Amino acid sequence: KAGVTQTPRYLIKTRGQQVTLSCSPISGHRSVSWYQQTPGQGLQFLFEYFSETQRNKGNFPGRFSGRQFSNSRSEMNVSTLELGDSALYLCASSSGQGAGTEAFFGQGTRLTVV
Amino acid sequence: ILNVEQSPQSLHVQEGDSTNFTCSFPSSNFYALHWYRWETAKSPEALFVMTLNGDEKKKGRISATLNTKEGYSYLYIKGSQPEDSATYLCAFTLLSGATNKLIFGTGTLLAVQP
Repeated sequence: KAGVTQTPRYLIKTRGQQVTLSCSPISGHRSVSWYQQTPGQGLQFLFEYFSETQRNKGNFPGRFSGRQFSNSRSEMNVSTLELGDSALYLCASSSGQGAGTEAFFGQGTRLTVV
Repeated sequence: ILNVEQSPQSLHVQEGDSTNFTCSFPSSNFYALHWYRWETAKSPEALFVMTLNGDEKKKGRISATLNTKEGYSYLYIKGSQPEDSATYLCAFTLLSGATNKLIFGTGTLLAVQP
């Protein structure tokens, strides 16, 4: 069974640009969550999608958005990039509909904003 | 603000030593506690998901316990090996509807010297 795939693995963008990251979950998983990790911080929850609907949202500005397609693949978009958006972005997929379900993570996309 | 505290922040041990880490979380509205192992350049890997007070889980030399009334979990590694070197993360999910949102601690970095 293929794992969670994130593309691209690395990105360098300039301040003010926008970026789109992609996540393909494990086949059959309908929940995809996104997390941000910056130096010295734990993984911070961005949002969760389930069956193409945003089910939960973290405390991030509106520049961070996402969507999920009918095949459960998800994209995350960051507009008007700032230097502070430089981070590792991880996505996680789950099969279950509720809390307590094991989450499987991708290897992440390392975004550098210069 | 919902906080997860992990201690120690880092730990250096010799091969063969046994170690333990602590994870503290808010005990109200608790639903599940997750432990992950995160090796450099890899994806976080789920170790355990625990929901019941008094739960104990074991996988090889690694075990974990859960106390939901006082809001803590311990992770034990018996006879540490160099391949155990990683960051160990704990996260909890809230009893608040159908969501897979994980609230993470900042992790314990374990280095095992041969």
